[in-house]
Amino acid sequence: DAGVIQSPRHEVTEMGQEVTLRCKPISGHNSLFWYRQTMMRGLELLIYFNNNVPIDDSGMPEDRFSAKMPNASFSTLKIQPSEPRDSAVYFCASSLGDRDTGELFFGEGSRLTVL
Amino acid sequence: SQKIEQNSEALNIQEGKTATLTCNYTNYSPAYLQWYRQDPGRGPVFLLLIRENEKEKRKERLKVTFDTTLKQSLFHITASQPADSATYLCALTGGGNKLTFGTGTQLKVEL
Repeated sequence: DAGVIQSPRHEVTEMGQEVTLRCKPISGHNSLFWYRQTMMRGLELLIYFNNNVPIDDSGMPEDRFSAKMPNASFSTLKIQPSEPRDSAVYFCASSLGDRDTGELFFGEGSRLTVL
Repeated sequence: SQKIEQNSEALNIQEGKTATLTCNYTNYSPAYLQWYRQDPGRGPVFLLLIRENEKEKRKERLKVTFDTTLKQSLFHITASQPADSATYLCALTGGGNKLTFGTGTQLKVEL
């Protein structure tokens, strides 16, 4: 298995532009998570899905952020309009959704820089 | 409020020694606690999980303890090697499969 695949790996954009980050979870995994990591705040959960349905989006900073999971093999995180404070590494992770273990498999991350 | 605290200062130890990392939490009653390793520029990688009814868990040179009374987990790496240098994150759930992470502790193993 290729693991969780994220794209792009690096994105540099200007303030006000729309940014779309993409994630392909591991086949057969039922849960998908979007995290953001910064030096100041560490790894923060933004939103997670179970069986393609958003369960908890309380970590989404504001209305500029939106996430979708149209099918079991694809998810997007969109920021519109982007701001410099959105600069961070965004990780996607997936799991079997088994409450007994909950082990997460992370992608390599998308490093976003907003100028 | 809920908190997960790990030492923010880097831990420097000599090769061959045992590294001990601490994870303290407040206002959680986790059914289990997990430890991850993160290398620079990479995503976190799962290492170990310990359940609330387990006092200790081992995997090769790794050992994790979980004290639900103290609300603390200790993560040990015995016979440490320079390749063990990384940031180690603890994580736990407050309900469902929503996993919250500590800020991590950076470990440096020197020759």
